[in-house]
Amino acid sequence: GAVVSQHPSWVICKSGTSVKIECRSLDFQATTMFWYRQFPKQSLMLMATSNEGSKATYEQGVEKDKFLINHASLTLSTLTVTSAHPEDSSFYICSAGRQGNSPLHFGNGTRLTVT
Amino acid sequence: EDQVTQSPEALRLQEGESSSLNCSYTVSGLRGLFWYRQDPGKGPEFLFTLYSAGEEKEKERLKATLTKKESFLHITAPKPEDSATYLCAVHGYSSASKIIFGSGTRLSIRP
Repeated sequence: GAVVSQHPSWVICKSGTSVKIECRSLDFQATTMFWYRQFPKQSLMLMATSNEGSKATYEQGVEKDKFLINHASLTLSTLTVTSAHPEDSSFYICSAGRQGNSPLHFGNGTRLTVT
Repeated sequence: EDQVTQSPEALRLQEGESSSLNCSYTVSGLRGLFWYRQDPGKGPEFLFTLYSAGEEKEKERLKATLTKKESFLHITAPKPEDSATYLCAVHGYSSASKIIFGSGTRLSIRP
């Protein structure tokens, strides 16, 4: 089956620093990847749609200058949390799907803690 | 606007006690309805896709069904390892590439 790999699985950083999270589709090419944020006991909140070779599409209320997305190849998208603050601490999950009506497959998430 | 509502929010069952989780949806043209399982600290794991009313899918103790307004995830004789959060998501024709998730049902199975 389709596999999506996300790295790192957890990261602790100091306030004001930047953190990069990688999302890779291992056995298929993904022209579109999605980045979600999840708070404890809540569902997935779509942050942005990452499009290979073009700019990401951000959801309303998501700061594009704080959450930088790069989708440089058909198998890799990165999310950089810039100038992180404690309120950015959360569980970030990426996903990708094949074309058409295919379901999304998710990475195992990255637990970000900003101190 | 596409919407997904899951109920109950949480469900505690005894091992072997069968039950059903509900996913009600509103979408202008359904492209697909998806069920996922999510364990704590992990990303969602894909379970089923349903495309049209009347369709059913089964996997071990789980069976997913679909009508024009809702989907059910039936759990037969559950075991403690079935404890997880179950997420429902819909993909509608009006929402372009977006898939909308429900808030999930936290299922706990007591031995």
